[in-house]
Amino acid sequence: GQQVMQIPQYQHVQEGEDFTTYCNSSTTLSNIQWYKQRPGGHPVFLIQLVKSGEVKKQKRLTFQFGEAKKNSSLHITATQTTDVGTYFCAGQTSGSRLTFGEGTQLTVNP
Amino acid sequence: NAGVTQTPKFRILKIGQSMTLQCAQDMNHNYMYWYRQDPGMGLKLIYYSVGAGITDKGEVPNGYNVSRSTTEDFPLRLELAAPSQTSVYFCASSHGPPYGYTFGSGTRLTVV
Repeated sequence: GQQVMQIPQYQHVQEGEDFTTYCNSSTTLSNIQWYKQRPGGHPVFLIQLVKSGEVKKQKRLTFQFGEAKKNSSLHITATQTTDVGTYFCAGQTSGSRLTFGEGTQLTVNP
Repeated sequence: NAGVTQTPKFRILKIGQSMTLQCAQDMNHNYMYWYRQDPGMGLKLIYYSVGAGITDKGEVPNGYNVSRSTTEDFPLRLELAAPSQTSVYFCASSHGPPYGYTFGSGTRLTVV
């Protein structure tokens, strides 16, 4: 079945440093979604990427979808303590349900 | 709009007891899902439904049952609770592919 791998599993950064998490799928995806889960909270939808090579930005967050639609990345510029949490990617093939990656847990030291 | 509402927020069960986790959404979403999340881990799909009267198993359905008699409600039933079912349970809903999921705030279940 479809697998979505996410690395790294954990990332510790100093406030102000950049952060990137990577997501790789075993199959070509129709779209990829990103979610953020704050400690003790629930996953919250951030964004969806659909087109090959697509790049979207949300303030300090930059999301990319690979040309082959099998990988994606989330980059945070100049992390802040409010960025703490676990970031999940979730891939979808046409008509199927989402397959979530294991998440990257980000901690930010002030 | 309340979104996805889960009750209870916390529960402690004794081994062998049963309970129903409630999930309701007011967004007229056809698709609903139940996930469990163990500490520090990802989301594992238990059951899902693509509409009223239709349910299907996910990755980890053993020990659980669901029903979907209405569009709004998708309860999850635990029969004969076991310590391995200690987890946080999230309900989610969506309009279906390719739309994103809206998650509830979760139910933290401890089986002792």
